[in-house]
Amino acid sequence: GAVVSQHPSWVICKSGTSVKIECRSLDFQATTMFWYRQFPKQSLMLMATSNEGSKATYEQGVEKDKFLINHASLTLSTLTVTSAHPEDSSFYICSARDYGGSDGYTFGSGTRLTVV
Amino acid sequence: QKEVEQDPGPLSVPEGAIVSLNCTYSNSAFQYFMWYRQYSRKGPELLMYTYSSGNKEDGRFTAQVDKSSKYISLFIRDSQPSDSATYLCAMSEGGSYIPTFGRGTSLIVHP
Repeated sequence: GAVVSQHPSWVICKSGTSVKIECRSLDFQATTMFWYRQFPKQSLMLMATSNEGSKATYEQGVEKDKFLINHASLTLSTLTVTSAHPEDSSFYICSARDYGGSDGYTFGSGTRLTVV
Repeated sequence: QKEVEQDPGPLSVPEGAIVSLNCTYSNSAFQYFMWYRQYSRKGPELLMYTYSSGNKEDGRFTAQVDKSSKYISLFIRDSQPSDSATYLCAMSEGGSYIPTFGRGTSLIVHP
């Protein structure tokens, strides 16, 4: 089945610094990838849709300048949390759909971000 | 009212029990229904998906959809401690649409 690889699985950074999270589709091409944020015991909150070769589409309330998304190739999307603050600490998960397969959306393993 | 409602639990059952997990929804345009399992500190893993009303079985798991009642269920037979996880329902207007997730139900299966 489709595999999505996300890296790093966890990261601790100092307040004010930037952190980049990578999401790769390993065995399929993904023109679209999705970035979610999840707080403890809460559902997945869609942050943005990453589109290969064009600008990302952000959900209402998500700061574009804080959460920079780049989808430079058909297999790689990155999320950069800029000038991170403790309130940005969360679990970030990416997802993609293999339209050539029959599965639903495949998720990465997630990145636990802690800003100190 | 949220589009998808799911009781967060936790739901605690003994090993071997039959587990019933449920979601209700309000958007009648939803046609594609999914269940995901999420272990702690991991991304969700797709368990089952279906377009149809009725039952779909896969091993110990059965997904049930009742579109007329806007109600979906996931049944787990012979539950095992390894089934302990959070189960999220998700649904969309079609396979190409971004799914809407429930908040997940935490399941604990104790030996």
